[in-house]
Amino acid sequence: AQRVTQPEKLLSVFKGAPVELKCNYSYSGSPELFWYVQYSRQRLQLLLRHISRESIKGFTADLNKGETSFHLKKPFAQEEDSAMYYCALRSGSARQLTFGSGTQLTVLP
Amino acid sequence: ETGVTQSPTHLIKTRGQQVTLRCSSQSGHNTVSWYQQALGQGPQFIFQYYREEENGRGNFPPRFSGLQFPNYSSELNVNALELDDSALYLCASSSPGRSSTDTQYFGPGTRLTVL
Repeated sequence: AQRVTQPEKLLSVFKGAPVELKCNYSYSGSPELFWYVQYSRQRLQLLLRHISRESIKGFTADLNKGETSFHLKKPFAQEEDSAMYYCALRSGSARQLTFGSGTQLTVLP
Repeated sequence: ETGVTQSPTHLIKTRGQQVTLRCSSQSGHNTVSWYQQALGQGPQFIFQYYREEENGRGNFPPRFSGLQFPNYSSELNVNALELDDSALYLCASSSPGRSSTDTQYFGPGTRLTVL
C-alpha cells in the first residue's frame, strides 16, 4: 500500500532563510506526487506537481526515486509562506490522493 | 467559474445518528472525491464518484455511502455515527477524463462533531 511521510509537524525559519519541507513516499508503482498548501482560513489548494517541473511562488520540488523523496524547497522564505503544507501521492483506479500528515511552516520576521 | 462548495459548514450530531453532507462540484467537473481529515492529520480518501457511479473506495466501512447526481453534485452519508467520525470532511472535484494533469480542487469542508 502507498504511504506518504512528512517527518516534521512544525518548522520555523526566519524570513530570507532557505526552507526545505521533507516528504518521503512508499509506492510500488510509478509515483505522481503533489504538494498542497493551506493558508490560514483558506481551502486546500494545489501548490505544485512533480510532472510539471514548475516553480510556483519560488517553491520547487524534485522527485528522487532512489531516495523515494519529494522535498519542497525555497531559497528565500517569505512571511506569506507561513501555512500548512501537505505532500500527496496519486494512485489507484480513482487516482485518489494519499496525503502525509502535513508540516506547519512558520516564517518569522 | 464557480468553485467547489460544501454544506453545511458545521454540524453537530450525537452517536448513532445519521448525517448527510453535500458538495457542488466546480463547473465542468464530473468527478467528485470525498476525504476525511481528522484533527492533526492529512486528508484520508473515502471514495470517489465519476459520472454518478462509485469509482474507487478507501478503507472506510459501508456505513459511509455516497451519491452523485446528474449535475455532478454529490452527497456523503454516514450512518450510525461514532465519536471517531468527528472530523473535517472535504470534497474535491476534478476535470473530465483521465489526463495525467487533472487537478483536484477542494471545497472548504464541513466540520462534523459527534457527541
